[in-house]
Formats: sequence, structure tokens, C-alpha cells
Amino acid sequence: DIQMTQSPSSLSASVGDRVTLRCRARQNIRNYLNWYQQKPGKAPQLLIYAASSLQSGVPSRFSGSGSETDFTLTISGLQPEDFATYYCQQSHNTPRTFGQGTKVEMK
Amino acid sequence: QVQLVQSGAEVKKPGASVNVSCKASGYTFTTSYIHWVRQAPGQGLEWMGLIDPSGGTTSYAQSLQGRVTLTRDTSATTIYLELRSLRSEDTAVYYCAREWRDWAMDSFDIWGQGTMVTVS
Repeated sequence: DIQMTQSPSSLSASVGDRVTLRCRARQNIRNYLNWYQQKPGKAPQLLIYAASSLQSGVPSRFSGSGSETDFTLTISGLQPEDFATYYCQQSHNTPRTFGQGTKVEMK
Repeated sequence: QVQLVQSGAEVKKPGASVNVSCKASGYTFTTSYIHWVRQAPGQGLEWMGLIDPSGGTTSYAQSLQGRVTLTRDTSATTIYLELRSLRSEDTAVYYCAREWRDWAMDSFDIWGQGTMVTVS
């Protein structure tokens, strides 16, 4: 199984901040990397697929980058609705595996 | 619109089995794999398995082998998850999710609303 590690586990930020979340894969997954946002009591929602492609309907302040083993999700200008938990997930192999999540909290 | 609608919450005794359904609508049922993901209270996301609604081919997480079965009813456009020999550690919200493929890349673009399964 491909282990995915996210950092930090949580962070505190303010509205308007630029926030960077990281995800590392234990082996090369090329760009088979997706990012999801989850709010309490709700199902996850796809934000970024194939490491850097913005899912339809997702605001352009979200962006993804990286390849092989190191990936980032950046939120440029944090909005109140962005306080949530973010998960990365690899789609290179089955079983699909997720990172443990990064919780973005209000400072 | 494209949606996945899951069955309601369940409470089960240890050792029992649970069945959760996931009804798909708004797209051609046989063209997209369906995955199941679960989330224990306060924890992260755990992939459980997938099914190809076209031919019924399945793949399961090794940790659940022997206890989980995915099936489909193409006429009802519904996927079924059966989990047997339930333990307290199976208490979680269970999600079905549609696999969306863009060239060789895939992701989970549509999710069901989740089904809470409590083992107690």
C-alpha cells in the first residue's frame, strides 16, 4: 500500500491568509494525486485532481502542484467557508489511500 | 443531476451483519466504478473497496477481506455493501463515491451523503 503523509496535522489561519498544505507519498505516484475538502458532518468534496487540475465549480483561490512524491495545496486568500479538513489521496494504485488530513482552523 | 443516495443509519450488535445501499442517478450507471470509503468518529478516510457496475468485478481492502462484499443491481442502479462479523471498530460513517476518469487519472467526484453504522 502507498502511504500518504500530510503536514501539518492542523493549522490556524485568518481570513485572507495564504495557506499551504503538504502531502508526501512514500513512493513515486507521478501526478496521480487528488485533494478533497471535508466539512463537519458532510461528505468530502473533490477540489483538485491529477495534482493540479481544478475541479469544475471550485474557486480559483485553490491550486495544487507537485509530482512524484511531494505535493502542495495552496489556498490564496482564505475565506470563511474554507475552514475545514483537507485530505490528499493517491489514485496510482489500488488500494486507494488517503493522507490523515490537515485541519484548517480559524485563528 | 448526478447523485448517489444512501440508505439510512443502522445500529447493530457485535457479530451481526449490515447492508448499506447506494442508489445512483443522473448518469449511465455502468460507465463509472463505485468506491466505498468509511470514516470512524473523529478519524480520517479509509478506502474499503470498489465495484465495476458493468461486470460486477470487485476489489477490496486487504484489512476487510473475507468480511466485505460489494454487489450491484443494474436494473435498480444500486450498489450494495455488506459487512459481516461486525466489531465495535466498524462504527463509522460509510460513504459511496463515484470514480470519475479523465484520461488515465481518476478521482471521486460524486459522494453519497453517508450512512452512520453503529456497532454496540
